Amino acid sequence: DAGVIQSPRHEVTEMGQEVTLRCKPISGHDYLFWYRQTMMRGLELLIYFNNNVPIDDSGMPEDRFSAKMPNASFSTLKIQPSEPRDSAVYFCASRKGMGTEAFFGQGTRLTVV
Amino acid sequence: ELKVEQNPLFLSMQEGKNYTIYCNYSTTSDRLYWYRQDPGKSLESLFVLLSNGAVKQEGRLMASLDTKARLSTLHITAAVHDLSATYFCAVDNSGSARQLTFGSGTQLTVLP
Repeated sequence: DAGVIQSPRHEVTEMGQEVTLRCKPISGHDYLFWYRQTMMRGLELLIYFNNNVPIDDSGMPEDRFSAKMPNASFSTLKIQPSEPRDSAVYFCASRKGMGTEAFFGQGTRLTVV
Repeated sequence: ELKVEQNPLFLSMQEGKNYTIYCNYSTTSDRLYWYRQDPGKSLESLFVLLSNGAVKQEGRLMASLDTKARLSTLHITAAVHDLSATYFCAVDNSGSARQLTFGSGTQLTVLP
């Protein structure tokens, strides 16, 4: 398996634009997580899905953020409109069942100017 | 709310020395994970600890879990430069849907 695949790896966008980050989890994994990493706040869990259903979205910072998982092999995290404070590295991770290690993608480095 | 605290946040140590990183968490959990992150890279799983008293070892790293004390330790033996990285612990919250909450990380620098 190629692991968790995220795209794009880097994204530079202007404030106010819509940004869509994409994630393909490892086949057979039923949990998918979205994290944001910054120097100031560390690794923050934004939302996670179990069997494509959002379970906990309490970490989503505000209504500008939304996430979907239309099927078991694809998830998106959308920011609309984007702001400079959204600049961060966004990681997607997946795992098979609770009590197992999660595997992380390479991340998307987002810069909003 | 589940809180996961690591200490120290920064650690510089000489090659060949031993040291321990601590991970405390605030609510009931019997599932704890350790990860490593190199600068500019993703997170790599090191250990999965699933019960009280669990101990795992890989090379110069050994992790343990005490669920009663809500404490996990990552012990480094005879450090080498290649161990320089940021180490994170993460916890699943048994009492709620909250999953995989990470600590702040410990940035380890091993000096020659």
